[in-house]
Amino acid sequence: GDSVTQMEGPVTLSEEAFLTINCTYTATGYPSLFWYVQYPGEGLQLLLKATKADDKGSNKGFEATYRKETTSFHLEKGSVQVSDSAVYFCAPPNTGNQFYFGTGTSLTVIP
Amino acid sequence: SQTIHQWPATLVQPVGSPLSLECTVEGTSNPNLYWYRQAAGRGLQLLFYSVGIGQISSEVPQNLSASRPQDRQFILSSKKLLLSDSGFYLCAWSVGGAGEKLFFGSGTQLSVL
Repeated sequence: GDSVTQMEGPVTLSEEAFLTINCTYTATGYPSLFWYVQYPGEGLQLLLKATKADDKGSNKGFEATYRKETTSFHLEKGSVQVSDSAVYFCAPPNTGNQFYFGTGTSLTVIP
Repeated sequence: SQTIHQWPATLVQPVGSPLSLECTVEGTSNPNLYWYRQAAGRGLQLLFYSVGIGQISSEVPQNLSASRPQDRQFILSSKKLLLSDSGFYLCAWSVGGAGEKLFFGSGTQLSVL
């Protein structure tokens, strides 16, 4: 079935460092792909999405490109801030009513 | 605009006591509704989802149950809590269908002592 493999954490970076969190997927066809973010003590919220192959989703300085050749949707940010400290979830392709998430990647940015 | 309300925000309950967590959605009709649990250091576990009133699908056998008495109301219950029920419970909704995104509530931190 459709699924994702997400880089495990935790990840600790210094402020202004470059961030990459890897995510690869298996899916039938080319479904929409999503990244969610969970700040401490809160629910998840949508960070960005891409609806078709070669699309680039972006928000708050984060980017992810839907690459069908490598079946990847890696999350990147050129310069992280302390406020980016959170858990990031690459969401598996949703081809039905169920949404299954993995453990996410915990990011800590230190000043 | 659509909003999702989940309460209480925190809850401390003794082992063996009952549980009722409530979630309501506003600004949309016939949403798909979901309950997730996030245990410390673990990912999100899908517990229940519902595509309509009275329609509940259970993902994991356990001592929890869910009900959907109204279109935009989703309730998570237990008759007797276990220590292992501790965790962060999240309610979510979507418009349904492939490729749609989820909207999450702010969560309930449940501690069973």
